[in-house]
Amino acid sequence: QVQLVQSGPEVKKPGASLKVSCKASGYTFTDNAIHWVRQAPGQSLEWMGWISPVSGNTKYSQKFQARVSLTRDTSATTAYMELSSLTSEDTALYYCARGRGHCISSSCLYFDYWGQGTLVTVSS
Amino acid sequence: QSVLTQPPSVSAAPGQKVTISCSGSSSNIGSNYVSWYQQLPGTAPKLLIYDNDKGASGIPDRISGSKSGTSATLGITGLQTGDEADYYCETWDNSLSGVVFGGGTKLTVL
Repeated sequence: QVQLVQSGPEVKKPGASLKVSCKASGYTFTDNAIHWVRQAPGQSLEWMGWISPVSGNTKYSQKFQARVSLTRDTSATTAYMELSSLTSEDTALYYCARGRGHCISSSCLYFDYWGQGTLVTVSS
Repeated sequence: QSVLTQPPSVSAAPGQKVTISCSGSSSNIGSNYVSWYQQLPGTAPKLLIYDNDKGASGIPDRISGSKSGTSATLGITGLQTGDEADYYCETWDNSLSGVVFGGGTKLTVL
């Protein structure tokens, strides 16, 4: 069965950087993009970007473009999300999700499997 | 403020039907497919509907989706207490060149 298992909770100081991992299993890792979505306490979902495991190509949300980096290790079937210059507004649950869609473009993109979420707290 | 607009909350009695709306624009819902997710308290989102109206694997027929113009609707019939959750719509936005979500709707089964 498809599983995305994320790394554990983190507590960071303002200005620090964060790296969250997402280990995929149960399917061919290079077949689907891995997306990252975050959810601040009591708030909606916010898309951060995606990485293509086969090519390493990435696409980032304009909001996070300057301080997010998505990478992957195909031998370990693991994707990583790194976020720099943390502030208290980055306190959130961070999810990885598998992207699906039958379209060549992103017109029909959806997320069929999600990780369990990684709680990140940014506090001095 | 979310790009896609959903009502903050809806409620209905067990056994009844409820609909949740998701309003967007020509750059998102109007030109792309819509998906819907259910998020139970303390859990990750779960895919319910993709491609506007296709049920995800294991999703019962009492949950349906539709799209018309720049709006989409999630429908749930035969409401159960286990349906109490937050529901989110999602699509691609051509202007933003990114994924956008609705603000979420909290469903209460009275």
